[in-house]
Amino acid sequence: QSVLTQPPSASATPGQRVTISCSGSSSNIGSNSVNWYQQLPRTAPKLVIYSNNQRPSGVPDRFSGSKSGTSASLAISGLLSEDEADFYCATWDDSLNAVVFGGGTKLTVL
Amino acid sequence: QVQLVQSGAEVKKPGASVKVSCKASGYTFTSYDINWVRQASGQGLEWMGWMNPNSGHTGYAQKFRGRVTLTRNTSISTAYMELSTLKSEDTAVYFCARASSWGSSTYYFDSWGQGALVTVSS
Repeated sequence: QSVLTQPPSASATPGQRVTISCSGSSSNIGSNSVNWYQQLPRTAPKLVIYSNNQRPSGVPDRFSGSKSGTSASLAISGLLSEDEADFYCATWDDSLNAVVFGGGTKLTVL
Repeated sequence: QVQLVQSGAEVKKPGASVKVSCKASGYTFTSYDINWVRQASGQGLEWMGWMNPNSGHTGYAQKFRGRVTLTRNTSISTAYMELSTLKSEDTAVYFCARASSWGSSTYYFDSWGQGALVTVSS
């Protein structure tokens, strides 16, 4: 059981917008910023959002992040087939003194 | 460009130890923490621990304390993860990742190694 809770799956058609949620607690999301990683099949994860809503260089502005209280979300607009991947939220947990991940959300582009 | 290149796949017997390396290039090795994350087949990401390559200070996930050791050789910009007393459940891909941070509440992995498959089987 993951410390951060994500829906196991999400889906949308090309061009649509999809949102993936990530729920935590006061000791993790409530106290620290949230990062999001995209993992394409059989590859290493890639950072797509850091510090709640910042995009690394090279990540399209179709990707956006937000945080409110003990929850965070990742939004992808103008979906492309190449966005199909697993997405993980992560942050530091002050009680566990550890990095914690969500269980991952498999995004399917229909 | 920043690169983390890991050692190759390993097959180990239960009870043995494995040591995976992670060679950094394209940046100052001692300026960024190295973290280790593993992923069993079809499963999610699991954080194992961090190491400050400058000081050698480490921190480990509770689950792995006593079984995992993170070390480094700064002369060759390489970090190591050693996991002992291997069990079949340790079969997974092991990733190293460089961590960047802002202040006390922002800590993220901005570059990852390609992963190293460790198979534990009798």
